[in-house]
Amino acid sequence: GQNIDQPTEMTATEGAIVQINCTYQTSGFNGLFWYQQHAGEAPTFLSYNVLDGLEEKGRFSSFLSRSKGYSYLLLKELQMKDSASYLCAVRGASGYALNFGKGTSLLVTP
Amino acid sequence: SAVISQKPSRDICQRGTSLTIQCQVDSQVTMMFWYRQQPGQSLTLIATANQGSEATYESGFVIDKFPISRPNLTFSTLTVSNMSPEDSSIYLCSVEEADRGSYNEQFFGPGTRLTVL
Repeated sequence: GQNIDQPTEMTATEGAIVQINCTYQTSGFNGLFWYQQHAGEAPTFLSYNVLDGLEEKGRFSSFLSRSKGYSYLLLKELQMKDSASYLCAVRGASGYALNFGKGTSLLVTP
Repeated sequence: SAVISQKPSRDICQRGTSLTIQCQVDSQVTMMFWYRQQPGQSLTLIATANQGSEATYESGFVIDKFPISRPNLTFSTLTVSNMSPEDSSIYLCSVEEADRGSYNEQFFGPGTRLTVL
């Protein structure tokens, strides 16, 4: 089975940096995804990690440690529009479908 | 990236009726998935829609309740049968693009917001 944990809510200030953690326990592993979801909208892809280390993409970076079952999403230079839910999802070894965590609701304040 | 459309975008239905949701992709894709997102919750996979064969359902979901069709590589339907208020949810279609190098990205449709009275 899959067990994916994320904090429920986080608050950060505009212009700051925030780190959203995700821990997972899975029967197999074939990649970890981060998605952003604004209220009432579909999730949009942010990042993908399958090997250990840091992947950087503009203001967003994602880190993975497979031995620790741990990932984080780092958001720099926060903007008000970054207020959204951030979903951590793991793909198991047996298929292509994603198993999602409950998501972290991020509020960016002025 | 794949562009995905879903119909209807939202609907309000009566208990005991059925609703069929359509998912159309602008390119041929191998993998299509159906997810459910209940109010305030994250996404839960219902099934993988396989072209030319029966869908593969996740634990807790059965074909009689959620029949799925996948007649070709660009289209799929999900039917929510004999609906009850507990089926009120957003239903999302997702596709995976193959051969993008090191990984296959999954894209989501805009979702169908279903309310059952």
